[in-house]
Amino acid sequence: DQQVKQNSPSLSVQEGRISILNCDYTNSMFDYFLWYKKYPAEGPTFLISISSIKDKNEDGRFTVFLNKSAKHLSLHIVPSQPGDSAVYFCAASVNAGNMLTFGGGTRLMVKP
Amino acid sequence: KAGVTQTPRYLIKTRGQQVTLSCSPISGHRSVSWYQQTPGQGLQFLFEYFSETQRNKGNFPGRFSGRQFSNSRSEMNVSTLELGDSALYLCASSLGQTGGRGYTFGSGTRLTVV
Repeated sequence: DQQVKQNSPSLSVQEGRISILNCDYTNSMFDYFLWYKKYPAEGPTFLISISSIKDKNEDGRFTVFLNKSAKHLSLHIVPSQPGDSAVYFCAASVNAGNMLTFGGGTRLMVKP
Repeated sequence: KAGVTQTPRYLIKTRGQQVTLSCSPISGHRSVSWYQQTPGQGLQFLFEYFSETQRNKGNFPGRFSGRQFSNSRSEMNVSTLELGDSALYLCASSLGQTGGRGYTFGSGTRLTVV
């Protein structure tokens, strides 16, 4: 029973264009959501997060949108750069606890 | 400052054996969480230790266990290894309950069970 799903295993985008990564969840108790980026042979690194009391959070080129009614969140990267090529994981938690539930990941490839 | 150190980086074990993995957190971090990553499954939460006490536990069989020492270093143990235990095991440390925002992950231990 996957409570957090990333339905696109991979995404290819041209440099300079927008990358949109999607994530769906089923557990209504989740109230804190995060995106991590992972390069090969390294651990995931925190990218951006959003609390369920907000519907948008921005940090530079990265914006996360949360649609609670649809139980859907998305990560927008504008403009995309070749260095953004990595695997992106969305994750969720209850009461902002340390027990995270992760999606399966989406591999983003940004072509020069 | 030094990052999260996991040892060993790679490990090959035979079915039925047991294995112990180690995680040294960032200095001052008191929370250590462990995750298992398998292809297509993302990261699955194993357990979290805080000040030597298990604070949360994921949905894994009792063959998976862990502990944390007074210096916050943590170990996880898997007994009676199965082929399906082959995975990348990641640990993450944080100061306390940060909702994952304050996580720093190690590079992981790649376990192969043959």
